[in-house]
Amino acid sequence: QTVVTQEPSLTVSPGGTVTLTCASNTGAVTSGHFPNWFQQRPGQPPRALIYTTNNKHSWTPARFSGSLLGGKAALKLSSVQPEDEADYYCLLYYGGAWVFGGGTKLTVL
Amino acid sequence: QVQLQESGPGLVKPSETLSLTCTVSGGSLSNDYWTWIRQPPGKGLEWIGHISYSGDTTYNPSLKSRLIIAVDTSRNQFSLHLTSVTAADTAVYYCAREGRDGYSPSERRYYYYYMDVWGKGTTVTVSS
Repeated sequence: QTVVTQEPSLTVSPGGTVTLTCASNTGAVTSGHFPNWFQQRPGQPPRALIYTTNNKHSWTPARFSGSLLGGKAALKLSSVQPEDEADYYCLLYYGGAWVFGGGTKLTVL
Repeated sequence: QVQLQESGPGLVKPSETLSLTCTVSGGSLSNDYWTWIRQPPGKGLEWIGHISYSGDTTYNPSLKSRLIIAVDTSRNQFSLHLTSVTAADTAVYYCAREGRDGYSPSERRYYYYYMDVWGKGTTVTVSS
């Protein structure tokens, strides 16, 4: 069974920087997993932020960036704003099927 | 601008079939994949499966034996049918567009995969 693991929770101060990661139990995450990242605020559907590792949608704020880091997919938030407090999910592709990570609850405090 | 809207019953009895429809507006079903995702109360997202405009499907292995996803291009809709439901199937169900871009003819592959447009979600409760 494929399992994608994210940090359950992280806390960051306003104006700070934080990196969320996304690991696969099958080995290193690569561009071939087409990593996607989503933000979900309470009561709302997920909103796409990053696709295929490091590509931003037209609506993605510049302070969000994606990369591969140490065998994992990573989402970096710079100059964090209070409205960035949300759940963040990564999504990885395994040759036809997708698997979501368990999500990271980001607190801005 | 493409928009998605889920519809279907909000309450399903245990052992019955859960059926949902996703209507695509502002665009057609062509050239993309169409995906179902769910989120149990207080939990994370789970990919259910997807279908191409031509009807090719891939399902989550954990749901495969109970799942059918179908597409109706004439109505610009795709649907989900999950049989023998239990309380564990209680969730918010989302439909989404799964796009692919950056095709390389020499490599016969796409370079970009994304899930950019989502419906607002519909809550389904399994209870007698």
